[in-house]
Amino acid sequence: QKEVEQNSGPLSVPEGAIASLNCTYSDRGSQSFFWYRQYSGKSPELIMSIYSNGDKEDGRFTAQLNKASQYVSLLIRDSQPSDSATYLCAADNYGQNFVFGPGTRLSVLP
Amino acid sequence: DGGITQSPKYLFRKEGQNVTLSCEQNLNHDAMYWYRQDPGQGLRLIYYSQIVNDFQKGDIAEGYSVSREKKESFPLTVTSAQKNPTAFYLCASRLAPRPAGLKNPNTGELFFGEGSRLTVL
Repeated sequence: QKEVEQNSGPLSVPEGAIASLNCTYSDRGSQSFFWYRQYSGKSPELIMSIYSNGDKEDGRFTAQLNKASQYVSLLIRDSQPSDSATYLCAADNYGQNFVFGPGTRLSVLP
Repeated sequence: DGGITQSPKYLFRKEGQNVTLSCEQNLNHDAMYWYRQDPGQGLRLIYYSQIVNDFQKGDIAEGYSVSREKKESFPLTVTSAQKNPTAFYLCASRLAPRPAGLKNPNTGELFFGEGSRLTVL
């Protein structure tokens, strides 16, 4: 059974701080990874995707991938209260479907 | 506007009744998916389809049925055999991923509709 694991949180950070969200995956063959943000009662929205080892930056968000350690992370710089949401990590299952982690709940405190 | 439309947004059903959730996309996406989300939980895959007239079971297909007669449409029927159907149902779609180096490469991101919330009374 392919698995994606995340700490469920809640992760609390003060406004303006860096939030660090982590994810591990079980299938070493997974190639593509995605971070989604989900506000309470809403559907997930894509934040970032990453395919290569290293860092990928988009605005305040940086995704990091380490395939040797089977580890994906998302950094949110200058965290804002509007970033408070559940963050879902997903791995592409060989182009067939996505495997999602349970999500990490982030709370940014004003 | 391009997007994924799910209907209805809210639905109440009596025990023993079947109900069909609609999902339509005008993004020309190849693959479509149904996920279920329970409160405080992650997404669990019910069914998916990568091509018209073909679909595969996901992790929790029991008590559900789907059809894919058109590329744009992937309705989900929650049957009376589903023991605990109260949940948030999410439809999603994507282009088939195409590696860089091929014509029209794409990364195959998954995009979601707004969801349908089903409550069994």
